[in-house]
Amino acid sequence: KNEVEQSPQNLTAQEGEFITINCSYSVGISALHWLQQHPGGGIVSLFMLSSGKKKHGRLIATINIQEKHSSLHITASHPRDSAVYICAVRNTGNQFYFGTGTSLTVIP
Amino acid sequence: NAGVTQTPKFRILKIGQSMTLQCTQDMNHNYMYWYRQDPGMGLKLIYYSVGAGITDKGEVPNGYNVSRSTTEDFPLRLELAAPSQTSVYFCASSYSGRAPYEQYFGPGTRLTVT
Repeated sequence: KNEVEQSPQNLTAQEGEFITINCSYSVGISALHWLQQHPGGGIVSLFMLSSGKKKHGRLIATINIQEKHSSLHITASHPRDSAVYICAVRNTGNQFYFGTGTSLTVIP
Repeated sequence: NAGVTQTPKFRILKIGQSMTLQCTQDMNHNYMYWYRQDPGMGLKLIYYSVGAGITDKGEVPNGYNVSRSTTEDFPLRLELAAPSQTSVYFCASSYSGRAPYEQYFGPGTRLTVT
């Protein structure tokens, strides 16, 4: 069983829709990261959070430490949001565990 | 700042050959990591380093070696390449103080072993 599970694996949305990607983890963590991987392969960090909620533009990330769950929301989705979104957790020993990613396609 | 750079971008190896994947960061980060990403799988940690002269195994270290002689460089060595090492390799770095910091990733190296 993976330490980090994401759902859904694949997601297709119409432009403008509100999108939610979920992440559950089973290890004790010091932080949770949301990453974005574009079709070209490059990986960028979107958020790092250890409690509560963070917002950056149309992206919102929340975490519930007690339930070991995080969500990434995209409001007013756009075709340029099409990418793979990866949840990663950093354990207390400073190692990272990654989910398999959610492949998002936003159709104009 | 160039951030995290990796070379080469692509490489094809024959079974049994050896090679070194280069990784350099110019952000003075103390932590550096090597990951591999197989199709349909999450990134897996191969090795990591918490500072110059200190390295440790990750989840999938077999068949690889690393060294960290400087803060900037963290090369990954493949000895006796096998088809199972066909993957995309990412190097990453982060600063680590009392609070965790985000990771910065290199562009990746796509390696095929035939």
